[in-house]
Amino acid sequence: AQKVTQAQTEISVVEKEDVTLDCVYETRDTTYYLFWYKQPPSGELVFLIRRNSFDEQNEISGRYSWNFQKSTSSFNFTITASQVVDSAVYFCALSGVNTNAGKSTFGDGTTLTVKP
Amino acid sequence: DTEVTQTPKHLVMGMTNKKSLKCEQHMGHRAMYWYKQKAKKPPELMFVYSYEKLSINESVPSRFSPECPNSSLLNLHLHALQPEDSALYLCASSQASGAYGYTFGSGTRLTVV
Repeated sequence: AQKVTQAQTEISVVEKEDVTLDCVYETRDTTYYLFWYKQPPSGELVFLIRRNSFDEQNEISGRYSWNFQKSTSSFNFTITASQVVDSAVYFCALSGVNTNAGKSTFGDGTTLTVKP
Repeated sequence: DTEVTQTPKHLVMGMTNKKSLKCEQHMGHRAMYWYKQKAKKPPELMFVYSYEKLSINESVPSRFSPECPNSSLLNLHLHALQPEDSALYLCASSQASGAYGYTFGSGTRLTVV
């Protein structure tokens, strides 16, 4: 079975603070893919990043960075110098090559509120 | 063109009505998906079409009927819905395996009265 856990249901920060969203996953597949999506109040889910299980390099894109650690089955997401526009629900997702092939398992999401 | 377009954006329908949700993509993606999302919950997979054939049906009630007329279009036909079916319905597409992530549409907010 596959499972994605986002233990933080809601996080509230003040603008310019750094914030880390946690994601822990379970899978029996050796080849799998991890994703983060952003869902602003408008409703559309926006793809942010993809990582495959063989690539543990951390990635930075502007104010966003991702830390993938297979040893702890975690794929955490950090926003540096948060802005009000970062307020959204963030989902971590997992796709296995063998288990549940063809569909992603989503975590329950973390609602991030950035206050001015 | 990197969009998935869904129409209508909002829909209110009675329990005896028949309506359809439409989804279109022109990215050459060969997999298309319908998801249902209730407030403050993650998206729940309903159907997957791969190369225009239904490959996954997540035990969805027959009052929801998907259709994939061609590789760019995906419809969801609705009939005799219940108030609890009110939700945001999201369409997504991906390269065939889904390993590259999904491109989602902005969704249809459905209210059943």
